[in-house]
Amino acid sequence: EVQLVESGGGLVQPGGSRRLSCAASGFTFSSYSMNWVRQAPGKGLEWVSYISSSSRTIYYADSLKGRFTISRDNAKNSLYLHMNSLSAEDTAMYYCARAWYYDLGNFYYMDVWGKGTTVTVSS
Amino acid sequence: DIQMTQSPSSLSASIKDRVTITCRASQSISRYLNWYQQKPGQAPKLLIYAASSLQSGVSSRFSGSGSGTDFTLTISSLQPEDFATYYCQQSYNSPLTFGGGTKVEIK
Repeated sequence: EVQLVESGGGLVQPGGSRRLSCAASGFTFSSYSMNWVRQAPGKGLEWVSYISSSSRTIYYADSLKGRFTISRDNAKNSLYLHMNSLSAEDTAMYYCARAWYYDLGNFYYMDVWGKGTTVTVSS
Repeated sequence: DIQMTQSPSSLSASIKDRVTITCRASQSISRYLNWYQQKPGQAPKLLIYAASSLQSGVSSRFSGSGSGTDFTLTISSLQPEDFATYYCQQSYNSPLTFGGGTKVEIK
């Protein structure tokens, strides 16, 4: 079964850091680009970051202002999100999602999602 | 960044109703538009990609149309399991952006 399982969420103090993990199984992780998407309580979806299969290409949402770092370890079938200088505005459910490319590999959609891990930033 | 605007933000409908949700992009995105369904406490689920292609395993009562800046998601005959929030998302360029969501509620 194709599966993504996020972990690492929890209560973080303002200004603190956290590392989220996403464990992949049931597919060849090293062949797929991956994303992080977040959702603040009661709000809509916000794309956070993208990393290509080889880690060669990385994108971030402008709103993150360089505080987040995406990475992956293909040998461990794992995706990571390192978050620094956290504030209340970062409180959200964080999802990892697989990218499935189409149209000659130029565009993609997110076809597999994990159940998410919750990050709460509060003192 | 490309802004995605959905309407309505919420709607009430009855079982077997035909439901239409619209999504407008702030610039042309060709057909690079995806639709997701999200139920409370669950992760989003892909319904439609490339504006009108039905994801494998998704009911055929869901359909999508449009190109350029204007897109539509249609549920042909609303079923109890369709009550959820629906999001459009453009994949034309980075940063990917989502619409604000449309919550479909029971009338």
